[in-house]
Amino acid sequence: AQSVTQPDIHITVSEGASLELRCNYSYGATPYLFWYVQSPGQGLQLLLKYFSGDTLVQGIKGFEAEFKRSQSSFNLRKPSVHWSDAAEYFCAVLNNAGNMLTFGGGTRLMVKP
Amino acid sequence: GAVVSQHPSWVICKSGTSVKIECRSLDFQATTMFWYRQFPKQSLMLMATSNEGSKATYEQGVEKDKFLINHASLTLSTLTVTSAHPEDSSFYICSARLGGNKNTEAFFGQGTRLTVV
Repeated sequence: AQSVTQPDIHITVSEGASLELRCNYSYGATPYLFWYVQSPGQGLQLLLKYFSGDTLVQGIKGFEAEFKRSQSSFNLRKPSVHWSDAAEYFCAVLNNAGNMLTFGGGTRLMVKP
Repeated sequence: GAVVSQHPSWVICKSGTSVKIECRSLDFQATTMFWYRQFPKQSLMLMATSNEGSKATYEQGVEKDKFLINHASLTLSTLTVTSAHPEDSSFYICSARLGGNKNTEAFFGQGTRLTVV
């Protein structure tokens, strides 16, 4: 069975500082990986996705993620965080059949002025 | 990108009543839609997969008779919480994928907050 782990429940960074959110997955085949962001009381917005090819994926809002097969990781990064980035971030893996998207527990990002 | 709309966005109901939540794909057809439940400060848990024209597939532990799913058309899936109780209070989110290609993005609705009093 596939699973996703986000080790950090909460992260606080200062505005302008760099950010890295960790994501580890477990899946028997080549994974399809996603990062979503959720603002309070809102639905989910896709930040970026990885299916194949270049292991460094660029997304919206200045985010990027790197797929590392050897570490079973897909960490999300941003060089300089803005106050508007404060939200909940979810990593997810899609099975090969394309009918199940499994989410990690989420990481709540807080941004200090 | 494609738009998925949920209605209502927030509903408060009395214990014992049934509540219907709609999920619509506004500018594309979705043969499959997914229903998730999210408790406060927790992740999304898949409840069921809704297939147009056939029965929904429920995840283990989800009561089929409690959470009725109907996917009557390629643009509409409904989730009915029957005889709602306070423990059913939660944030319900649907998603739909463009066509049947697994390599495409899943688009999410804005969610429906259900409060049962």
